[in-house]
Amino acid sequence: QSVLTQPPSVSAAPGQKVTISCSGSSSSFRNNYVYWYQQLPGTAPKLLIYDNNKRPSGIPDRFSGSKSGTSATLGITGLQTGDEADYYCGTWDSRLSVVVFGGGTKLTVL
Amino acid sequence: EVQLVESGGGLVQPGGSLRLSCAASGFTFSSYWMHWVRQAPGKGLVWVSCIKSDGSSTSYADSVKGRFTISRDNAKNTLYLQMNSLRAEDTAVYYCARDRDLSSWGQGTLVTVSS
Repeated sequence: QSVLTQPPSVSAAPGQKVTISCSGSSSSFRNNYVYWYQQLPGTAPKLLIYDNNKRPSGIPDRFSGSKSGTSATLGITGLQTGDEADYYCGTWDSRLSVVVFGGGTKLTVL
Repeated sequence: EVQLVESGGGLVQPGGSLRLSCAASGFTFSSYWMHWVRQAPGKGLVWVSCIKSDGSSTSYADSVKGRFTISRDNAKNTLYLQMNSLRAEDTAVYYCARDRDLSSWGQGTLVTVSS
């Protein structure tokens, strides 16, 4: 089962913008939607972005997603200290009925 | 409000068995694919298994294939994970999650495999 690649960590100052990348080499990644999850310390993951670029209700528009070819990107603008968390990308391979996650990216808001 | 509540975790010896449960409420359980995802201490998320809404199709990660069995009881709105031949590397918090996009998650239950 394939793995998605994320940078281990990113950091930025409050109020700034940060992007987190997610790359996958398999055709399943190219052909399926990408999801993004936020995991605050000590809590369960929460869906942040679905279907590459859609936000569930209640997720502020500071969070955005995009996908092109074999890579996807999560963008966060107007960084807040409360955004410090681990962020994971994932994809659901509908043909194989499996889910693949990236290794996670720790966001530090300096 | 969608709620998923896991239970059944605990300490078990290597080679032992454990059955996890995930009680669902606030949505039509029988209409959704369901998943188990685990997270070892200090590590990332790892998908474990999923089951189709009517239970007719299941899928497993290679690391648990042949040892774990996912099932569901739609009359009881409950998802299960039967874990056999447990190993130290199965130690993790186990989460259940709803739908193809894992849109809702439970709070997790800790499984510790140790002698």
